Amino acid sequence: DQQVKQNSPSLSVQEGRISILNCDYTNSMFDYFLWYKKYPAEGPTFLISISSIKDKNEDGRFTVFLNKSAKHLSLHIVPSQPGDSAVYFCAASRQGAQKLVFGQGTRLTINP
Amino acid sequence: DVKVTQSSRYLVKRTGEKVFLECVQDMDHENMFWYRQDPGLGLRLIYFSYDVKMKEKGDIPEGYSVSREKKERFSLILESASTNQTSMYLCASSSLQNPYFFGPGTRLTVT
Repeated sequence: DQQVKQNSPSLSVQEGRISILNCDYTNSMFDYFLWYKKYPAEGPTFLISISSIKDKNEDGRFTVFLNKSAKHLSLHIVPSQPGDSAVYFCAASRQGAQKLVFGQGTRLTINP
Repeated sequence: DVKVTQSSRYLVKRTGEKVFLECVQDMDHENMFWYRQDPGLGLRLIYFSYDVKMKEKGDIPEGYSVSREKKERFSLILESASTNQTSMYLCASSSLQNPYFFGPGTRLTVT
């Protein structure tokens, strides 16, 4: 049972435009959400997170939006840069649990 | 600079061999995890540990075991490697205040 889903395996965006990566979850107990970025042959690196008490968190070019009623979150990258080309994983956990549940990942390609 | 290191970046083993994957973290984190990454399946949790000598099964523990004798070290053991265990293996550590830190991964090929 896939509790965290990223339904788009890949996304291609023009450099300078906005990239929007989407993630859906089914477990209403999840209250903490994270995005990780992964380059080939490297481990994932933490990008940005959001708690369920917020609906938006911003860090530079990266913004995460959380819609609890829809059980949906999205990562916006603006403007997109070639170095943003990577696989992005959405992850979720519930309070008190250190275990993260990851989505399948979305491969983002930024075209010059 | 904080680090999670894994003993090998690339490993090739034969079917039936016993395989040891080592992970060491220098952040004094309580929690350590082993995931495998496969195309289209994302990161799936194999085992995790909240403390020394403690271990808990993740979502796909079959065919694996783990050992945590020291806080900084978490080992993943494939008792008898099979071809369906060919994958990228990722170790991570965390504490209550921090998100996961991942190691660089071990690409294991079982032939």
